[in-house]
Amino acid sequence: DGGITQSPKYLFRKEGQNVTLSCEQNLNHDAMYWYRQDPGQGLRLIYYSQIVNDFQKGDIAEGYSVSREKKESFPLTVTSAQKNPTAFYLCASSIETYSPLHFGNGTRLTVT
Amino acid sequence: EDQVTQSPEALRLQEGESSSLNCSYTVSGLRGLFWYRQDPGKGPEFLFTLYSAGEEKEKERLKATLTKKESFLHITAPKPEDSATYLCAVGYSSASKIIFGSGTRLSIRP
Repeated sequence: DGGITQSPKYLFRKEGQNVTLSCEQNLNHDAMYWYRQDPGQGLRLIYYSQIVNDFQKGDIAEGYSVSREKKESFPLTVTSAQKNPTAFYLCASSIETYSPLHFGNGTRLTVT
Repeated sequence: EDQVTQSPEALRLQEGESSSLNCSYTVSGLRGLFWYRQDPGKGPEFLFTLYSAGEEKEKERLKATLTKKESFLHITAPKPEDSATYLCAVGYSSASKIIFGSGTRLSIRP
């Protein structure tokens, strides 16, 4: 079955450590996205990529970094510069920029 | 400022009691309005896309409509399994991205 795989489901880190969240898709989609969701809030866009080797900052990119070396993969690194990293992170993909998004089941990151 | 606003934040209904959720938007160059359902601890699941004012889409007990400034998600005779958070999102050409509202938490009592 085609879909988006995010791993791990739960991730725990100490403050000051960088951590990388994995996102892989086998839908052959060009566009990929990272969103952050905090309790009781909607999704906020961190980074997005419309094509391999290219990506743009979203609304809350500070303290995060991404790469898009392969069409299937769009890993997100949460750096120690991110002041409030504890959140639910969602990866998504779409055929093109304004097509419906297909989401993974998220990674819940807890930093203490 | 480009934004998407959903109301109400939370809605509790009795099984069979029909109602509507609202999504209003202020963006330039609407390229699509999307509705998603999200269950706790899961990623959002796509429901509908609406592209132009007057358009309507239906799926089981859900019907989505679109005007120039807002969209409604009508739920008819809901069942407890319809309980979820419903998210609205807008794609717009002035920013080449998709932004989300904060969602409506819908709870259906048996």
